[in-house]
Amino acid sequence: EIVLTQSPGTLSLSPGERATLSCRASQSVSSSYLAWYQQKPGQAPRLLIYGASSRATGIPDRFSGSGSGTDFTLTISRLEPEDFAVYYCQQYGSSPAYTFGQGTKLEIK
Amino acid sequence: QITLKESGPTLVKPTQTLTLTCTFSGFSLSTSGVGVAWIRQPPGKALEWLALIAWDDDKRYSPSLKSRLTITKDTSKNQVVLTMTNMDPVDTATYYCAHSGWLGHFDYWGQGTLVTVSS
Repeated sequence: EIVLTQSPGTLSLSPGERATLSCRASQSVSSSYLAWYQQKPGQAPRLLIYGASSRATGIPDRFSGSGSGTDFTLTISRLEPEDFAVYYCQQYGSSPAYTFGQGTKLEIK
Repeated sequence: QITLKESGPTLVKPTQTLTLTCTFSGFSLSTSGVGVAWIRQPPGKALEWLALIAWDDDKRYSPSLKSRLTITKDTSKNQVVLTMTNMDPVDTATYYCAHSGWLGHFDYWGQGTLVTVSS
């Protein structure tokens, strides 16, 4: 079973700063099958990145994804006020077919 | 434009069976590569994938919940139904359905429905 571990659990930054969020898999994950989501309170998750580095439709280019194997990163180049939320990584592949990380909360410093 | 909406009871008693329906539009579940998944989120906690049904009726379940889950589809009605047996208070969560394509990510989500398990 592939376990995704996200770090840090909470990240405190100011608008305008750069955010780097990590997702580490317990086994190698195909880059094609690694995604990132943003979730704000009371809302459904929103797809940000799929295939480890492809932005979903309508996602600003300040969001970028990278990584391969067991280490993946979501970077927000310059934080906007609306970016403060919880972020999840997700993989598709080995049993269980789909797993999510435990999330990183990005909060305003 | 793809939309999904969950429906079902907001309150169930322990040991009862939960039945949730996902009604969608903007795509067909008979199209190659398409799937609909159920994902839940207990209050204040992380997302948990439960089950997925694919266009070819392939069904995948979370190993930890497999014995309690059944997912079915009605292509003509554009609906996917999830049943979960033997509900327990720890199953209290917001339940989402979501559209999935070939790469296994969830690109469209319903608004979610909060299900509380309590006597």
